[in-house]
Amino acid sequence: QVQLQESGPGVVKPSETLSLTCSVSNVSIGSYYWSWVRQPPGKRLEWLGYIYKAETTNFNPSLKSRVTMSIDTSRNQFSLNLTSVTAADTAVYYCAGGSKSGWYADCWGQGTLVTVSS
Amino acid sequence: DTQMTQSPSTLSASVGDRVTITCRASQSIGRWVAWYQKKPGKAPNLLIYQASSSETGVPSRFNGSGSGAVFALTISSLQPDDSATYYCQQYNTYPLTFGQGTEVEIK
Repeated sequence: QVQLQESGPGVVKPSETLSLTCSVSNVSIGSYYWSWVRQPPGKRLEWLGYIYKAETTNFNPSLKSRVTMSIDTSRNQFSLNLTSVTAADTAVYYCAGGSKSGWYADCWGQGTLVTVSS
Repeated sequence: DTQMTQSPSTLSASVGDRVTITCRASQSIGRWVAWYQKKPGKAPNLLIYQASSSETGVPSRFNGSGSGAVFALTISSLQPDDSATYYCQQYNTYPLTFGQGTEVEIK
């Protein structure tokens, strides 16, 4: 069974960069599409984007140029960087994986709360 | 962006009841819809993809239907373990978008 676990700081200051890592177990990082999804308090889930084999990415245009994603094959991890954060970026962040495509996710992490606050 | 609107936002039903959650897209999206179950503090769980295809291991009481702009998730016989929030998601166009969720409560 594929297992995902998010890690990273729980608090990030405004204007700084939010960085999260997702550790993947029981599957090779190169065989899935890896996504990030977030849920701000009281709001619906928001898709942030996906990365596949470190060479293919697709990001939500609402994030403009603030988001990057990367894969560390040696550690079987993938990461999210979101720059210039504001309070609107406060959310539970989920990493997720799709075995067939980046369209939907058949495995998810439990989520990690990131609060943007000074 | 394609907007996804679920109804109802909450529902309360008894064990054994048949319950249906509806998801409407702001434009026609073919059959490109997935459904997830989310319990507090746990990872979301994929139930249905391509409108009606069941993910491996999902109990047979969960069924998806619909095409175009209207979709439904039906639980044929509600069980206590089904208490959760359910989300639809479209993947016809980017960005991928989700419904606002339907909270299912067991009476």
